[in-house]
Amino acid sequence: QVHLQESGPGLVKPSETLSLTCTVSAGSINSYYWNWVRQSTDKGLEWIGRIYPRGNTNYNPSLKSRVTMSVDTSKSQVSLRLTSVTAADTAVYFCAGINGFCTPTSCLPGYFDPWGQGILVTVSS
Amino acid sequence: AIRMTQSPSSFSASTGDRVTITCRASQGISTYLAWYQQKPGKAPKLLIYHAATLQSGVPSRFSGSGSGTDFTLTISYLQSEDFATYYCQQFYNYPLTFGGGTKVEIK
Repeated sequence: QVHLQESGPGLVKPSETLSLTCTVSAGSINSYYWNWVRQSTDKGLEWIGRIYPRGNTNYNPSLKSRVTMSVDTSKSQVSLRLTSVTAADTAVYFCAGINGFCTPTSCLPGYFDPWGQGILVTVSS
Repeated sequence: AIRMTQSPSSFSASTGDRVTITCRASQGISTYLAWYQQKPGKAPKLLIYHAATLQSGVPSRFSGSGSGTDFTLTISYLQSEDFATYYCQQFYNYPLTFGGGTKVEIK
């Protein structure tokens, strides 16, 4: 069974950068493509983007200008950076995998399983 | 982006009831639809994918149907552990999008 664990600061100041890491249980990082999903009271569940360990990314157009995802396969970790945060970025952030078909340049859309437990990030001064 | 609309947003039911939740897509998505269950403080849990395929380990009282724009999740005999919020999600294209959720509460 694949286990995911999100980590990072629980409090970020407005205009700064939110940085989170998702650690994937050993041996599983290349079996999925990895997504970040956030959940807030205002917007519900919102897909942030995805990254395929062998290279390509796809971000939600609503966040694309502020999002960067990366993978460190040697550490079995997936990272999220979200710049210029505001209070509207306050949410629980989940890491989730999709076991879908990918080429070097794209991945077919899919459904999320497994999920991490989530981490609450509050944007406040 | 494809907009997913669930109805109702919440309702009350009793153990043993048969309940149905509806999800409508703003454009046709074939059967590229998943359903999740979420309990407070937990991550969503995959129940059904491709509109009607039950995820391994999910009780058979859960079922899904539909194609195109209209979908339903049915719980045939509501159990105490089923009181939760349910979400639909389309994976027809990017960006992946979710419905607003349906909260099933105890009557």
